[in-house]
Amino acid sequence: DSGVTQTPKHLITATGQRVTLRCSPRSGDLSVYWYQQSLDQGLQFLIQYYNGEERAKGNILERFSAQQFPDLHSELNLSSLELGDSALYFCASSAGTYSYEQYFGPGTRLTVT
Amino acid sequence: AQKVTQAQTEISVVEKEDVTLDCVYETRDTTYYLFWYKQPPSGELVFLIRRNSFDEQNEISGRYSWNFQKSTSSFNFTITASQVVDSAVYFCALPQGGSEKLVFGKGTKLTVNP
Repeated sequence: DSGVTQTPKHLITATGQRVTLRCSPRSGDLSVYWYQQSLDQGLQFLIQYYNGEERAKGNILERFSAQQFPDLHSELNLSSLELGDSALYFCASSAGTYSYEQYFGPGTRLTVT
Repeated sequence: AQKVTQAQTEISVVEKEDVTLDCVYETRDTTYYLFWYKQPPSGELVFLIRRNSFDEQNEISGRYSWNFQKSTSSFNFTITASQVVDSAVYFCALPQGGSEKLVFGKGTKLTVNP
């Protein structure tokens, strides 16, 4: 158990809908990262927050957004969902500096039908 | 830009065999970190090791060992006396230059048969 929690574990929704994925980092970790894992793209970095502020962005679609709250939990919002958004979404956390390893949550499997 | 290549897509071995998973990376950074993660069939990503580019000593942890060679930009992972529980997809990764974004290889799927 990495100490990172993600809810829900599975999510099935229809195209055009909006969903919110939730992540709680390990105790004391200030950085939260979101990654998407799909069969064709592999593991791709989406976005990072550090202590409530956006720190880095990857190839995150405009339909996707995230935030980190004062209690350090984070949410990833996915809207206008398309079939191609079906993937495993991971949250990871770290102490927050360049050298620290990232600990991953169990992931949320999103299926868009 | 950073790039991680795991040329072996799938490897199948019989229990108790030794197996080496290859990782070749590209980076322009003079100092960097390298990582290995394991993704078992249950789906979670498990951190295995972080290696600093300053330290080229091999590392051993139980049946796992890592061989880092800066001269060939490789960071290979060996499992000795493999077990069925080692069956998983293994990913090598390094941070994108100047950031904490991890760039992952495509992964190597290891199947250990009884």
